[in-house]
Amino acid sequence: GQQLNQSPQSMFIQEGEDVSMNCTSSSIFNTWLWYKQDPGEGPVLLIALYKAGELTSNGRLTAQFGITRKDSFLNISASIPSDVGIYFCAGQGSNQGGKLIFGQGTELSVKP
Amino acid sequence: ETGVTQSPTHLIKTRGQQVTLRCSSQSGHNTVSWYQQALGQGPQFIFQYYREEENGRGNFPPRFSGLQFPNYSSELNVNALELDDSALYLCASSRGQGTYTEQFFGPGTRLTVL
Repeated sequence: GQQLNQSPQSMFIQEGEDVSMNCTSSSIFNTWLWYKQDPGEGPVLLIALYKAGELTSNGRLTAQFGITRKDSFLNISASIPSDVGIYFCAGQGSNQGGKLIFGQGTELSVKP
Repeated sequence: ETGVTQSPTHLIKTRGQQVTLRCSSQSGHNTVSWYQQALGQGPQFIFQYYREEENGRGNFPPRFSGLQFPNYSSELNVNALELDDSALYLCASSRGQGTYTEQFFGPGTRLTVL
């Protein structure tokens, strides 16, 4: 099925470091969403973006909706051990019946 | 506010059998979407239900079908199970359908087909 290109696939960082991950698409999206998924759980919504150029923060998390509407990034500042998990970007296009298209995920590991 | 709930948590079936998975939407949400997540992959959209009608469908065969009830809860039915149907099945609810809506996910049902 159709997927976004999400990178990197995995990251191993030290506690306290900043993290950056991004998503690109060949299609224009109207909405970008970022989720975090822990093992055996469903994805949890972190940030939703609705406008090109929009920059939104949620605590230590900051995400931006790219100007071209074909990309988005997520930054995590001062990482902590509980940030460990898989982060997914998801996009919604117009006339898609509410369908979310997901990236393949970025697996984050944080060393205390 | 009650979140999205799914049942059962785990299920083991054999090839050729049929399965029904259930989802209760978050309070105040009238739209339910179903996704299939294979191991190591992002979720793939199966279909969405709004006002008890299918409102969009992904690239899944007709043996994947669904229902939405007047209380907005939903079922996913899969007939003639195949080994590749083994996956985590996620339900997400939202307030309204279409773009510009945030989808909130349940914990999923882990289906294993032997």
